[in-house]
Amino acid sequence: GENVEQHPSTLSVQEGDSAVIKCTYSDSASNYFPWYKQELGKRPQLIIDIRSNVGEKKDQRIAVTLNKTAKHFSLHITETQPEDSAVYFCASVDQTGANNLFFGTGTRLTVIP
Amino acid sequence: DAGITQSPRYKITETGRQVTLMCHQTWSHSYMFWYRQDLGHGLRLIYYSAAADITDKGEVPDGYVVSRSKTENFPLTLESATRSQTSVYFCASGTSGTANEQFFGPGTRLTVL
Repeated sequence: GENVEQHPSTLSVQEGDSAVIKCTYSDSASNYFPWYKQELGKRPQLIIDIRSNVGEKKDQRIAVTLNKTAKHFSLHITETQPEDSAVYFCASVDQTGANNLFFGTGTRLTVIP
Repeated sequence: DAGITQSPRYKITETGRQVTLMCHQTWSHSYMFWYRQDLGHGLRLIYYSAAADITDKGEVPDGYVVSRSKTENFPLTLESATRSQTSVYFCASGTSGTANEQFFGPGTRLTVL
């Protein structure tokens, strides 16, 4: 099955700085890559996603880039704010295969005021 | 997101007992999912359902049973609970398959003694 690796497991940044979280996947047929944010004690929520026919997608301070050749994708958060502090999960799915969504192990982001 | 609820929110049971976790959504989403969340593993898909009476295995289905007689409900049963099934369980729903946004419930924290 698919193997999604996520790095780093923890990340601390100063408020206003940028944060980057990276994920790699093993299945070259994977074609959908969402990012979920989970605040402490809360449910995961989708913050951005990208499909394999696009190399980059932006939504205000958040962007995701995808390199299908290298099989990795990254989440970029600019001008970080304390409310960005949470655990972020990447995931991938192969729509043509088992159609399961595989998550990374998560990155705990702390934004220091 | 009051549209998807889980019950109970907390459950303590003993090894060998049967436990059913309930999930209810009011959006009429066709797809519903069950995940377990464990430290070091992120979120792992247990089962999902594309519609009433249609279910499919995810990444970690062993030891679990699901049913979906009504679109709005998707119960998860542990027929004979084991300590390794101690986890936080999230139900989710969506309008399409795994390759689209999923809306998560608040989670159920299950402890098996």
